[in-house]
Amino acid sequence: EDKVVQSPLSLVVHEGDTVTLNCSYEVTNFRSLLWYKQEKKAPTFLFMLTSSGIEKKSGRLSSILDKKELFSILNITATQTGDSAVYLCAVSNAGGTSYGKLTFGQGTILTVHP
Amino acid sequence: NAGVTQTPKFQVLKTGQSMTLQCAQDMNHEYMSWYRQDPGMGLRLIHYSVGAGITDQGEVPNGYNVSRSTTEDFPLRLLLAAPSQTSVYFCASSYTQGWEQFFGPGTRLTVL
Repeated sequence: EDKVVQSPLSLVVHEGDTVTLNCSYEVTNFRSLLWYKQEKKAPTFLFMLTSSGIEKKSGRLSSILDKKELFSILNITATQTGDSAVYLCAVSNAGGTSYGKLTFGQGTILTVHP
Repeated sequence: NAGVTQTPKFQVLKTGQSMTLQCAQDMNHEYMSWYRQDPGMGLRLIHYSVGAGITDQGEVPNGYNVSRSTTEDFPLRLLLAAPSQTSVYFCASSYTQGWEQFFGPGTRLTVL
């Protein structure tokens, strides 16, 4: 059974801090890893990673994947109160009857104080 | 494009009642899925569809039925609602399996 574990489960920081969110996974046949941000509504897409060592970047957010060690990190630099949200990690399976199914982690709740 | 739409936004049911949660997308996506989200448990896959006429079970399918008669619509049916089905339900679609999924706004369901 595919499994995704995120850490920490919650994190409280002050504006301007840099945070690193972790996602480790077990999947029988890896296809992709995705990061989502969820505020008080539906998750919104941040990144999709398929190759090890290639950093994806969008503004103050960046992410990288390590397929050997089976984990990914999401970095947020110079945090702002608008970054407060739940950050979800998911992995996609490329094999057999599980092809394409996403398995989500429990999420990391990030709170940024002014 | 409206993206992924869901109705209703909120619903309260009594135990044993049935209802259908509606989901539609206008992006011509082949892949659609239903998730439920409970506190501390992330998103769990209920059912998914890889195209019109094709559906399959996800991680937590019991108590739910789906059908996919068109590319656009993917309704989720609760046949005999139970309090354990109290949750927030999200519908999502993507161009293909395993790729970026676009989520609907969600339906908050309470079963008394």
